[in-house]
Amino acid sequence: GAGVSQSPSNKVTEKGKDVELRCDPISGHTALYWYRQSLGQGLEFLIYFQGNSAPDKSGLPSDRFSAERTGGSVSTLTIQRTQQEDSAVYLCASSAGGKQYFGPGTRLTVT
Amino acid sequence: GQQLNQSPQSMFIQEGEDVSMNCTSSSIFNTWLWYKQDPGEGPVLLIALYKAGELTSNGRLTAQFGITRKDSFLNISASIPSDVGIYFCGGETSGSRLTFGEGTQLTVNP
Repeated sequence: GAGVSQSPSNKVTEKGKDVELRCDPISGHTALYWYRQSLGQGLEFLIYFQGNSAPDKSGLPSDRFSAERTGGSVSTLTIQRTQQEDSAVYLCASSAGGKQYFGPGTRLTVT
Repeated sequence: GQQLNQSPQSMFIQEGEDVSMNCTSSSIFNTWLWYKQDPGEGPVLLIALYKAGELTSNGRLTAQFGITRKDSFLNISASIPSDVGIYFCGGETSGSRLTFGEGTQLTVNP
């Protein structure tokens, strides 16, 4: 079956522009996570959606970052006024039964 | 929030050697997960553990859920070059999100 998909796979943007990253979770998974990973580093938690509950936004690094999950399925991570330090791989994961399944990530480069 | 301490941070081994890495926490977890991440890819689930003391194998990989529920280890036997990558542990408690360790970078020299 289809796994978690993310788009675009790569995104190059100029400093100050807004970007939207998309995640399509595995069908039926109620939990969805966004992580950020800098080169050679660990997984930095950003935001967590669980069903209809209010999302856990405790990992968002600034108010330039926001995420939505529409209809309990697709999620969009938005970064406004991008900065060079936002350059990283953004990973999405969906979860069922305690197991998280990751997408391939979106590599964001801010020039 | 909950913290996971994963060690070692990196390992350099010869092909054929066995490898062991572990994660510890001051918190109790109900689930331990082990992932591997290849360069340019998202992490892939290797082993999931749900009971204290549980020992589970997946080919050359073996992982255990510590009896105290505060630790877990992953062993890789007879390493091969394709074992290269970053290994992450993850712990979860009911009602809380999954927490990841910082990862162990494994290099296997042929």
